[in-house]
Amino acid sequence: GQNIDQPTEMTATEGAIVQINCTYQTSGFNGLFWYQQHAGEAPTFLSYNVLDGLEEKGRFSSFLSRSKGYSYLLLKELQMKDSASYLCAVRDGDYKLSFGAGTTVTVRA
Amino acid sequence: DGGITQSPKYLFRKEGQNVTLSCEQNLNHDAMYWYRQDPGQGLRLIYYSQIVNDFQKGDIAEGYSVSREKKESFPLTVTSAQKNPTAFYLCASSAGTGDLGYNEQFFGPGTRLTVL
Repeated sequence: GQNIDQPTEMTATEGAIVQINCTYQTSGFNGLFWYQQHAGEAPTFLSYNVLDGLEEKGRFSSFLSRSKGYSYLLLKELQMKDSASYLCAVRDGDYKLSFGAGTTVTVRA
Repeated sequence: DGGITQSPKYLFRKEGQNVTLSCEQNLNHDAMYWYRQDPGQGLRLIYYSQIVNDFQKGDIAEGYSVSREKKESFPLTVTSAQKNPTAFYLCASSAGTGDLGYNEQFFGPGTRLTVL
């Protein structure tokens, strides 16, 4: 089966930086996605990595190392609206997505 | 507006009753998916469909059934055989399933089903 691990919770201060790590072991790899999910709402797409390296998109960046089975999502200049759950998802060899349990980020004033 | 709609947002049913959750998309996407989300757990794939009139079981298909008679619609039936049906159900769609571009999945707003 697929195994995707990420921390359960993280807390940070407004304006700070937070890094959410994700490690995975899957049967095949065809890309890694990060989604943001506010409580009771649908997940929304944040980023996609398929090659090693860093992808930057405004305040959010995502990094991938395929050899290490590792990714992180970096959130910079944190705002209160960034308080949400962040989901790491890996597309496997059959092109299905497997999700981690999510990391709940709480931003404090 | 293009998007995915799920209705209703909240649904209550008595134990032993079948219930059908609707999912409609007007994004012209070929692939559609049903996930279940429980507290403290990741999204788990129930069923997916890559094209009309075809669908495959996901990781937790037991107690569920689907149909894909139209490209834009992918209803999910939660049957009485599903032992723990109370959950948040999310429908998603993507342009395809291969590696031509991101093919990220777009999610509907979800239906929270409570079985009493």
